[in-house]
Amino acid sequence: QLQLQESGPGLVKPSDTLALTCTVSGDSIDSDGQYWGWLRQPPGEGLEWIASIKYSGNTYYNPTLQSRVTISIDTSKSQFSLFLRSVTAADTAIYYCGRRPYYNGWDVWGPGTTVTVSS
Amino acid sequence: EIVLTQSPVTLSVSPGERATLSCRASQNVNRYLAWYQQKPGQAPRLLISGASSRATGVPGSFSGSGSGTEFTLTINSLQSEDFAVYYCQQYHSWPLTFGGGTKVDI
Repeated sequence: QLQLQESGPGLVKPSDTLALTCTVSGDSIDSDGQYWGWLRQPPGEGLEWIASIKYSGNTYYNPTLQSRVTISIDTSKSQFSLFLRSVTAADTAIYYCGRRPYYNGWDVWGPGTTVTVSS
Repeated sequence: EIVLTQSPVTLSVSPGERATLSCRASQNVNRYLAWYQQKPGQAPRLLISGASSRATGVPGSFSGSGSGTEFTLTINSLQSEDFAVYYCQQYHSWPLTFGGGTKVDI
């Protein structure tokens, strides 16, 4: 059974770079037909898609964040990562990693990791 | 960017009743629409994809309908565990977008 687990710092200083990693277990990260991605949810608010990546390395970004975001994949470690530069308090949120098969919704989610941006 | 508008924002329903949630897209998304349920402190759970196909393990009390720009999620005979926030999401085109959510409460 596919499982995802986010990891990374819970506290990041303003203007720093947030780095998160999602570890995939129970299935192969390098099989075709699916996207891996990051989403977030600010406190008390709705869901926002950040970025997606295929095992081949093809990437897709939310234009509102594209200038500050990089998503990467390491198939040898069964991990994919998110880098968000120049963070501000507005980036405080629960960050989720997820799997989305082609032509489907996000069917597997990690439990989420809370990130607070504060000095 | 495709904007998804969900209504109502809050829906108050009694246990055993039916809940009808709406999601309207600013552009045609065909049937590339999903619905999620989120409970406090939990990650969202996929309920419906392809506008009307239930995900694995989702009870038959949940049903989705619609295509194009108008979509509906119906929850029949609400149980206590169904009180949650529900989101729609389109995957017709990038960027992927979510609706603002409908909170179903007692």
